[in-house]
Amino acid sequence: QVQLVESGGGLVKPGGSLRLSCAASGFTFSDYFMTWIRQAPGKGLEWVSYISSTGNTIYYADSVKGRFTVSRDSAKNSLYLQMNSLRAEDTAVFYCARGQGGYSSSQLDSWGQGTLVIVSS
Amino acid sequence: SYVLTQPPSVSVAPGKTARITCGGNNIGTKSVHWYQQKPGQAPVLVIYYDSDRPSGIPERFSGSNSGNTATLTISRVEAGDEADYYCQVWDSSSDHVVFGGGTKLTVL
Repeated sequence: QVQLVESGGGLVKPGGSLRLSCAASGFTFSDYFMTWIRQAPGKGLEWVSYISSTGNTIYYADSVKGRFTVSRDSAKNSLYLQMNSLRAEDTAVFYCARGQGGYSSSQLDSWGQGTLVIVSS
Repeated sequence: SYVLTQPPSVSVAPGKTARITCGGNNIGTKSVHWYQQKPGQAPVLVIYYDSDRPSGIPERFSGSNSGNTATLTISRVEAGDEADYYCQVWDSSSDHVVFGGGTKLTVL
């Protein structure tokens, strides 16, 4: 079955960096676009980043553009999020989610369990 | 940027029908997806492309989308339906995924 497992979260100081990973299994990873979604404590869902199935098309939310970098490695069936210049407001649970179908307008049909990032001094 | 507006909360008695709205400018021209999130859990897709239901989602869940409002309807509400619900679209003008603010469904 489809499985997405995030890792790499933790406590980091403001201005620091962290790299999140999302290990995918149970499907052909290279056939699907992937996204990162985050959720601050007690808040709603916030989209962070999109990467196409080939990795050739990438989009970011305005709040993270220039600080976060998404990438994928089909050989390792893995999705990554490099987060630099972290701020307190980046504190959140980060989810990776799979996009169904070939269109960016498609639904996110599978989600990982999330990894918690805490930015604090 | 495109904005989706949801009521913060909706309350319904067991066995009744809950309707959760998602407002957006000409949202009827977009594909709307809905997610259910229970406390401490990851979101789960419950409706996609306005009104389609993934396998495993009860027929009690349905969706519609027209004009400036998309609606998630839950019939014969059960205690287990209590959760936060989020609508989502793709905004092609900004190339962004957009989520509504979420609606907390309370079963009385």
